[in-house]
Amino acid sequence: AQSVTQLDSHVSVSEGTPVLLRCNYSSSYSPSLFWYVQHPNKGLQLLLKYTSAATLVKGINGFEAEFKKSETSFHLTKPSAHMSDAAEYFCVVSDANSGGYQKVTFGTGTKLQVIP
Amino acid sequence: ETGVTQTPRHLVMGMTNKKSLKCEQHLGHNAMYWYKQSAKKPLELMFVYSLEERVENNSVPSRFSPECPNSSHLFLHLHTLQPEDSALYLCASSQGGRVSTDTQYFGPGTRLTVL
Repeated sequence: AQSVTQLDSHVSVSEGTPVLLRCNYSSSYSPSLFWYVQHPNKGLQLLLKYTSAATLVKGINGFEAEFKKSETSFHLTKPSAHMSDAAEYFCVVSDANSGGYQKVTFGTGTKLQVIP
Repeated sequence: ETGVTQTPRHLVMGMTNKKSLKCEQHLGHNAMYWYKQSAKKPLELMFVYSLEERVENNSVPSRFSPECPNSSHLFLHLHTLQPEDSALYLCASSQGGRVSTDTQYFGPGTRLTVL
């Protein structure tokens, strides 16, 4: 069984300050982990993914995430928030499914507000 | 924007109507997915097709009927829906297979309102 918990439903930061979006996961196997971003009325776009290589993963738009197995965490960070970062962010865990396809579980999302 | 397109982008229908949502992927992928996104709920996986074969039906009511005529196209046929079916319906595709590292690529979604 797998699950993912996004610890904050809303995060508010000032423009130019750091961003931290928290994600904890559970998985029976060695999972892959993803962060997606969704802007209003848009589909989901991949920010970054962890696939058992380097534990610090760099993504698009200056975001990065660190896989910490001992803490079962995959928090998303950015050193300096930009107004265009305001969106909803989803943490995702993925296992290979015995039925022959990828099993994916989404978190409930964190809405990031950036204050000018 | 992405290699996955969805039509229509917005749909309003009555409970007795029949309509279809269309998804097309231009990425050469072998797996396609339908998700339902409702307010304040996690993304819900509805159906998965792998190589045009349905491999997952996640306890979805029969008023939703998927169709995958080939690996590039996916439809969701809608019939006698309920107001609680109003949501954003997202289509996604991935390379396919058992690998957990696949990235799913999403379309922009269809905003469905059932009156």
